[in-house]
Amino acid sequence: GDSVTQMEGPVTLSEEAFLTINCTYTATGYPSLFWYVQYPGEGLQLLLKATKADDKGSNKGFEATYRKETTSFHLEKGSVQVSDSAVYFCALRVNFGNEKLTFGTGTRLTIIP
Amino acid sequence: NAGVTQTPKFQVLKTGQSMTLQCAQDMNHNSMYWYRQDPGMGLRLIYYSASEGTTDKGEVPNGYNVSRLNKREFSLRLESAAPSQTSVYFCASRGQEASPLHFGNGTRLTVT
Repeated sequence: GDSVTQMEGPVTLSEEAFLTINCTYTATGYPSLFWYVQYPGEGLQLLLKATKADDKGSNKGFEATYRKETTSFHLEKGSVQVSDSAVYFCALRVNFGNEKLTFGTGTRLTIIP
Repeated sequence: NAGVTQTPKFQVLKTGQSMTLQCAQDMNHNSMYWYRQDPGMGLRLIYYSASEGTTDKGEVPNGYNVSRLNKREFSLRLESAAPSQTSVYFCASRGQEASPLHFGNGTRLTVT
């Protein structure tokens, strides 16, 4: 079945450091890929997405590129801020009418000043 | 800009008690979902409703029932709560086929 494997957390970085959170997937069809972010006490929010191979999603300084050859969708940011502290979830949905969104286990990121 | 509203925010139940978690969205979305979030397991789909009048099981439906009361509202019921149902529950909705999920802020449920 479909699955998402995410980098284990927690991850702690200093402000302005470079961030990578790894995400790989297995899917039977042609998935769309997503990164969601969950700030403390809130629900998940869509951070960025990519719907086909080689697409790059970007938002708020974060980027992720859909790599079909390595089945990966790693999240990166060049210079993190304290306000980026949150839990990040990688997710996929196989297209063509599939309602189900499959999530990874989440990676907790803490940025220290 | 209410989006997806869940009530209650917190609830403590004793084993065997029942309760209903409420969810409403004001975005005219067709699809609605219930997820549970547990440490180290990410989000798992309990039930979903692709449109008004339909409901389907997700990955972990046992112990739960749902009702899609109308297009706006999708409730989750625990008939006889168990400690294994201690979790954070999220409702979500989605509009068109390729659009992202919109989540509520969650209900933290503890079953003792």
